[in-house]
Amino acid sequence: DGGITQSPKYLFRKEGQNVTLSCEQNLNHDAMYWYRQDPGQGLRLIYYSQIVNDFQKGDIAEGYSVSREKKESFPLTVTSAQKNPTAFYLCASSSAGMYEQYFGPGTRLTVT
Amino acid sequence: AQSVTQLDSQVPVFEEAPVELRCNYSSSVSVYLFWYVQYPNQGLQLLLKYLSGSTLVKGINGFEAEFNKSQTSFHLRKPSVHISDTAEYFCAVSEEGSGTYKYIFGTGTRLKVLA
Repeated sequence: DGGITQSPKYLFRKEGQNVTLSCEQNLNHDAMYWYRQDPGQGLRLIYYSQIVNDFQKGDIAEGYSVSREKKESFPLTVTSAQKNPTAFYLCASSSAGMYEQYFGPGTRLTVT
Repeated sequence: AQSVTQLDSQVPVFEEAPVELRCNYSSSVSVYLFWYVQYPNQGLQLLLKYLSGSTLVKGINGFEAEFNKSQTSFHLRKPSVHISDTAEYFCAVSEEGSGTYKYIFGTGTRLKVLA
């Protein structure tokens, strides 16, 4: 089955630790995206990548980093510089020329 | 700059009644429009999209939406809702010709279907 996987579903970390969220897709999509979701604020774009080895900042990139070494994978690192990291993180992908994005199941990160 | 407004944060409706979830956008260029549904603690699922052509778009689960360019709106409707439609609904916009396929999302509308 083609789709997007995000792991783990729930993640707990202590303040001051970096944490990496996984996102893998087997849809052969070129573009991948990371969003952050907070109650009442909708989804906000953190980073996106249109091709391997290239990525751009979204609206709220501060405190986050990404890499795109393979077409299938787009991991997100939440660094200790992110002031309020507790949130639901969603990964998505899309194919060039097709405008809809497909979403993974999300990772809920709790930092205490 | 683009923006998307979903005026209603919560909409309660009785089962089998009709519902309309409102979405307005602002953009200086032509746009593509999308509605997604999110069930608790899950990702987003595409309900329907408007890219071009007929302004009335039909989607999955009996939903439809109408693109109104003059009013910059893309309201979502369903003639008869079910308990299973209880979820959060997001409107999203992407600028035509931007080459990035980036979305701007609205803040979401929580639909609560009552028995």
